[in-house]
Amino acid sequence: GAVVSQHPSRVICKSGTSVKIECRSLDFQATTMFWYRQFPKQSLMLMATSNEGSKATYEQGVEKDKFLINHASLTLSTLTVTSAHPEDSSFYICSAIAGQKVRDTQYFGPGTRLTVL
Amino acid sequence: LAKTTQPISMDSYEGQEVNITCSHNNIATNDYITWYQQFPSQGPRFIIQGYKTKVTNEVASLFIPADRKSSTLSLPRVSLSDTAVYYCLVAPTRGDSNYQLIWGAGTKLIIKP
Repeated sequence: GAVVSQHPSRVICKSGTSVKIECRSLDFQATTMFWYRQFPKQSLMLMATSNEGSKATYEQGVEKDKFLINHASLTLSTLTVTSAHPEDSSFYICSAIAGQKVRDTQYFGPGTRLTVL
Repeated sequence: LAKTTQPISMDSYEGQEVNITCSHNNIATNDYITWYQQFPSQGPRFIIQGYKTKVTNEVASLFIPADRKSSTLSLPRVSLSDTAVYYCLVAPTRGDSNYQLIWGAGTKLIIKP
């Protein structure tokens, strides 16, 4: 149980275009979803926390107008990288929790590899 | 704000027990400790979580001393497939306005035949 999917798994785009990444909880309702970015050989960096039906909370230094997050339902959150540039190339990972506490187990998606040319 | 420190890398051999220690000197009363495993180009996977003393599940044990300033993940009889990066995460309770999910650098564990 507790499966989280991400789509697409890999995307290559030209500089200046926008890319949307979907994160779905397949067998549970996610009260909260998290979006992370991970550069090669580095740890996970939390970008934003997404709660269903409300605005996402962004971490310091993350541009909310560049990384648009929509959490329209209890099973779907999307991250749109607007006007992507080569420095946005990274591994984007979402996670979801079913409970009410931040310490609840996070179930992670498989990640999306974004390459901006 | 809790912050974690782990060894950057560790080596071991198949069949051995591996212990990975994480330091979290500033852990708060409401913080829990969670360990995750990550393979290359995959999302992390939950291993175990604890608050104090010892927790055991089918894949690992977690030892937390009374002062909770450190924790040790114990993997019994490792195999080659346990080669991965292991993260220790200290997670505050939601509702704390200062909460942050801060991931440490992780420990790269390499298991040799």
